[in-house]
Amino acid sequence: GDSVTQMEGPVTLSEEAFLTINCTYTATGYPSLFWYVQYPGEGLQLLLKATKADDKGSNKGFEATYRKETTSFHLEKGSVQVSDSAVYFCALSKNRDDKIIFGKGTRLHILP
Amino acid sequence: GAGVSQSPSNKVTEKGKDVELRCDPISGHTALYWYRQSLGQGLEFLIYFQGNSAPDKSGLPSDRFSAERTGGSVSTLTIQRTQQEDSAVYLCASSPGGFHEKLFFGSGTQLSVL
Repeated sequence: GDSVTQMEGPVTLSEEAFLTINCTYTATGYPSLFWYVQYPGEGLQLLLKATKADDKGSNKGFEATYRKETTSFHLEKGSVQVSDSAVYFCALSKNRDDKIIFGKGTRLHILP
Repeated sequence: GAGVSQSPSNKVTEKGKDVELRCDPISGHTALYWYRQSLGQGLEFLIYFQGNSAPDKSGLPSDRFSAERTGGSVSTLTIQRTQQEDSAVYLCASSPGGFHEKLFFGSGTQLSVL
């Protein structure tokens, strides 16, 4: 079945470091891909999305590129801040009526 | 309201008892979703409503779980004869349309079955 695999955490970085959180997926067809983020004490919220191959989603300095050839959607940020500490979820959906399948989440700690 | 509201925020119950979890979506959102978040297991899809109908209830773990939505608004997730493995955070989300729309999540109900 369809699935999402993301790197296990926790990931601990110093402020201003470069961030990559790996995400790969398994799905038939051409799913839409998402990154959701859960800040401490808050509900999940959409961070960015991409709906077709080679699309780049971006928001709040984060970027992810839909790579169909490697079935990947890695999340990157050039310079992380303490406020980026959160749990990040990679996810996919086949179409607007098909459930979003989430990865297990990656906890990110940023040290000042 | 300003966001998706879930109640109660915490629920402790004894094994074998029934529980009801409530979700108030954002006004005007036609789609409503229930997910379950267990420690180390990520988010597990339970059921999806479009209006009052449930096109996809494939994620409900057993016949002890049921959900309904009335008036295209409030939804209730009911777990009968709770078991310890039902302990998790139950998340509700809503969106203006389908899954490709931005989902707005509530803060969840932490369910503990003793």
